[in-house]
Amino acid sequence: QSVLAQPPSASGTPGQRVTISCSGTSSNIGSNSVSWYQQLPGTAPKVLIYSNNQRPSGVPDRFSGSKSGTSASLAISGLQSEDEADYYCAAWDDSLNGYVFGTGTKVTVL
Amino acid sequence: EVQLVESGGGLVQPGGSLRLSCATSGFPFSSYAMSWVRQAPGKGLEWVSAISDSGGSTNYADSVKGRFTISRDNSKNTLYLQMSSLRAEDTAVYYCAKRIRGVPYYFDYWGQGTLVTVSS
Repeated sequence: QSVLAQPPSASGTPGQRVTISCSGTSSNIGSNSVSWYQQLPGTAPKVLIYSNNQRPSGVPDRFSGSKSGTSASLAISGLQSEDEADYYCAAWDDSLNGYVFGTGTKVTVL
Repeated sequence: EVQLVESGGGLVQPGGSLRLSCATSGFPFSSYAMSWVRQAPGKGLEWVSAISDSGGSTNYADSVKGRFTISRDNSKNTLYLQMSSLRAEDTAVYYCAKRIRGVPYYFDYWGQGTLVTVSS
């Protein structure tokens, strides 16, 4: 089951900034780094952010991540139509001894 | 180019078994831990299981513990997931995913997935 809480949806117009929150506990986000994955419709997930705020090569700098305590957030600035996708946060959970994903947030570009 | 190609999905009756495979190429398979992640229709991602690079260490989600077995054949660059006592709630697209070496814990490559449907 998903132990990281995310809002089910977020939206914005092209060019706007959208922020997605991810709430966890001391056993996951509080003690391990956070990753963010983007899943475009009908495709496999792709890593967008790792180590809380690092972007793999090829990921636009419009995407940024941050972490504070037991929460993390993903920001998309200069929103574009191709950013319409589902976004998931994730982290290792020391208590569950497993990797946990967030509930997912569907981003809509209006 | 890193490639992960899952196979073995299909329709199976409740209580049945199925073995998924993930054929890999483009990287030294025996040097990387791997995982299976699933996604039920219209639902979010759920981590299922992980295996170390050597195969000597495995982890499972509570939802599949005792029913699923992850394994790998480093000579064939292939990851497996043996699923038994399947339930309707196991219906999902199953992805194999490659972990980066060391820390932090995240997946840098994913396969395209294989659909498992558990239904009578």
